[in-house]
Amino acid sequence: GAVVSQHPSWVICKSGTSVKIECRSLDFQATTMFWYRQFPKQSLMLMATSNEGSKATYEQGVEKDKFLINHASLTLSTLTVTSAHPEDSSFYICSPLRTGDEKLFFGSGTQLSVL
Amino acid sequence: QKEVEQNSGPLSVPEGAIASLNCTYSDRVSQSFFWYRQYSGKSPELIMSIYSNGDKEDGRFTAQLNKASQYVSLLIRDSQPSDSATYLCAVNTGTASKLTFGTGTRLQVTL
Repeated sequence: GAVVSQHPSWVICKSGTSVKIECRSLDFQATTMFWYRQFPKQSLMLMATSNEGSKATYEQGVEKDKFLINHASLTLSTLTVTSAHPEDSSFYICSPLRTGDEKLFFGSGTQLSVL
Repeated sequence: QKEVEQNSGPLSVPEGAIASLNCTYSDRVSQSFFWYRQYSGKSPELIMSIYSNGDKEDGRFTAQLNKASQYVSLLIRDSQPSDSATYLCAVNTGTASKLTFGTGTRLQVTL
């Protein structure tokens, strides 16, 4: 299988602060990383796609200056929610794409609550 | 128009029965189809993938695909209480492995 580590599992922060979420592929290399967001009782929505060493591609309606993605290595990607607000409260899930594979494996997710 | 549609449920089945979960998709060029299981507060877990028309069996799970009808289903035989979860249907239209997810069907297996 593919082991994906995502931290933190949950975070509570004050409005206006920034939160960084880390995603690591532990036993494989991922040239592509997908970041999803899931609001309560809704499905996963793709936020952005990043390729190692290049800028991320954001889906329509996702602010690139608010959700900063860094994919500096083949095993690590980070998502930073800048100046978080209560409407950013959601479940954030990373999904590194194993080279040559079509199946997606997911990190354990980060529940963000912004007060 | 939603691209991937699922009945939100809940679908309630007694323990030991067969649970049937359905999904339709709108994009005819879709090539790959996946079923994920998601427990509350957890991230999705891949159960099955299917790429060609027909049935694909893996243990108690059977995925069925009908591209002409744009329909994919998941059957769970001998349902167990531990199968109670939300089941997400996901479709890959071929764009760099991007998946489009349905809203999920909540399954409840009762004792």
